[in-house]
Amino acid sequence: QVQLQQSGPGLVKPSQTLSLTCAISGDSVSSDSAAWTWIRQSPSRGLEWLGRTYYRSKWYNDYAVSVKSRITINPDTSKNQFSLQLNSVTPEDTAVYYCARELGALFDYWGRGTLVTVSS
Amino acid sequence: QAVLTQPSSLSASPGASASLTCTLRSGINVGTYRIYWYQQKPGSPPQYLLRYKSDSDKQQGSGVPSRFSGSKDASANAGILLISGLQSEDEADYYCMIWHGSAVVFGGGTKLTVL
Repeated sequence: QVQLQQSGPGLVKPSQTLSLTCAISGDSVSSDSAAWTWIRQSPSRGLEWLGRTYYRSKWYNDYAVSVKSRITINPDTSKNQFSLQLNSVTPEDTAVYYCARELGALFDYWGRGTLVTVSS
Repeated sequence: QAVLTQPSSLSASPGASASLTCTLRSGINVGTYRIYWYQQKPGSPPQYLLRYKSDSDKQQGSGVPSRFSGSKDASANAGILLISGLQSEDEADYYCMIWHGSAVVFGGGTKLTVL
């Protein structure tokens, strides 16, 4: 059974960096069949896929165009986890952030979600 | 214009059927896409239901009842989630999703009320 445990602050100041971590149990961040993804949800933007990291002989990343200039998703093989960094946040980035496993092009396991509020 | 458009709400009676649509933007042909459907209940992340491209290319999520099924309406350029024999527990938000290149696009979601 795969479990994804999210951690990180729930409040970030405008212009600062949002940082979240997703610890994986029951699978490996280095899996050659899964991808590790961040998705957010807000009333104004709905569900929004942010990007993913995955290993296929080497590491790859894909990012949504809407955040591409501000986002980094990194794997941490030593801790079997992956992280999200979103720079220069504004109140528009206020959302519930989910990590999820993508397997076979669908999201089969999700973290419980972290509400991140961007406010001074 | 959004890539995927879903009606914001739908109401149906217990025992009846509900047809939830996901219309693709003009110029994006529904026939070439696998449409994924997710169900979300308050306070929980979305849960995968099924995917549908054609009758020969479809997949039911693990443990998802057969009364949830997918189809397409090519004339409307839309994917459809059909829920038959509605139960109160089906009251939830439903989202469609496609892979558009190397990125994922979600629809805005339909809130299904069973009353």
